[in-house]
Amino acid sequence: GEDVEQSLFLSVREGDSSVINCTYTDSSSTYLYWYKQEPGAGLQLLTYIFSNMDMKQDQRLTVLLNKKDKHLSLRIADTQTGDSAIYFCAETLNRDDKIIFGKGTRLHILP
Amino acid sequence: IAGITQAPTSQILAAGRRMTLRCTQDMRHNAMYWYRQDLGLGLRLIHYSNTAGTTGKGEVPDGYSVSRANTDDFPLTLASAVPSQTSVYFCASSQGSNQPQHFGDGTRLSIL
Repeated sequence: GEDVEQSLFLSVREGDSSVINCTYTDSSSTYLYWYKQEPGAGLQLLTYIFSNMDMKQDQRLTVLLNKKDKHLSLRIADTQTGDSAIYFCAETLNRDDKIIFGKGTRLHILP
Repeated sequence: IAGITQAPTSQILAAGRRMTLRCTQDMRHNAMYWYRQDLGLGLRLIHYSNTAGTTGKGEVPDGYSVSRANTDDFPLTLASAVPSQTSVYFCASSQGSNQPQHFGDGTRLSIL
């Protein structure tokens, strides 16, 4: 079946690193994505990784992909108050180009 | 600034009325999508279009229709609105059907 799972909430102290985790069940993915949604706004594409890559780094963001365990993570270094948002994990399936979204992880920043 | 424009940003509508949500993109993307976002259910695909002139059904198409007369526009129509269609609707587009999708800011629709 097709499913993308994420924990619903994460609280992190300002300045610490945030790690948001995601697991998926379908191994026929081509791309895996992280989207950010701020209150009242649409989903903003943060970063994405090809399924044949293990890691991608972009400034404060690091994406790690473990294909064997079907596990994707997003690390945000030096978490700031502006990082407070809902983060969605998603994958595009190779067989039908369908994109499957997780239900999102709400990141709360503690002062 | 290139991107996706959705209109209206919000709307309150009486049940039984007809409503069209507009979506325009200026990135010359081939594929476009409509999602609804509901608390606890995440994003669900309503309809999609891989290229101008073609459309397809997503996960929750009932009660909705779309058209894709040209590359830029992808309107979503509720023929006879019902309260269960109260939601936030997002339009998205991508260069190809398996490429990263870019989202508009959404339309908040309330059906009374």
